[in-house]
Amino acid sequence: AQRVTQPEKLLSVFKGAPVELKCNYSYSGSPELFWYVQYSRQRLQLLLRHISRESIKGFTADLNKGETSFHLKKPFAQEEDSAMYYCALSGLGGATNKLIFGTGTLLAVQP
Amino acid sequence: DVKVTQSSRYLVKRTGEKVFLECVQDMDHENMFWYRQDPGLGLRLIYFSYDVKMKEKGDIPEGYSVSREKKERFSLILESASTNQTSMYLCASSTPGETQYFGPGTRLLVL
Repeated sequence: AQRVTQPEKLLSVFKGAPVELKCNYSYSGSPELFWYVQYSRQRLQLLLRHISRESIKGFTADLNKGETSFHLKKPFAQEEDSAMYYCALSGLGGATNKLIFGTGTLLAVQP
Repeated sequence: DVKVTQSSRYLVKRTGEKVFLECVQDMDHENMFWYRQDPGLGLRLIYFSYDVKMKEKGDIPEGYSVSREKKERFSLILESASTNQTSMYLCASSTPGETQYFGPGTRLLVL
């Protein structure tokens, strides 16, 4: 079964602390993994995708095929990072690029 | 900049009413998607379309239908609204295999 699991509904950290948002997946083929973010009162937007291997707003994520994970990390959290984060996957190279989303993790960065 | 717009930010309807949610994109994208977003459930795909007049069911199509008469417009139809369809509805569009861009969402309340 194709599935994305985000085990934490809420992650609360203090400003300056490291952040790791967990994402595990189950997929039979070659997946493409994404992190989407939704700030308060804003639309859902792409944060990063694994094939681009970019660091966006200080966030990175490495695809670990052995552990079927794609955890999102940032060494020093900022208050403006507070948002809902969704991990998602689609089939690599698929034309219809349907996304399967996890249930989301709300990141709250305390001052 | 890609622009995906949705006809309403908020809608209040009564049980049994026929409801139309409209989505328009201005980037000539082939693919368009309708999701619903619920707390604790993440985003779930209702329907998607990969060309004009072409559609495929997503994970939760029951109680919904769609229409795509023009490339830029993708409509979600609730044939007979029910209270369990109270939700946030998100539209997205993309070129095949590329990033999905999301609209601002329509929050629907069915009384």
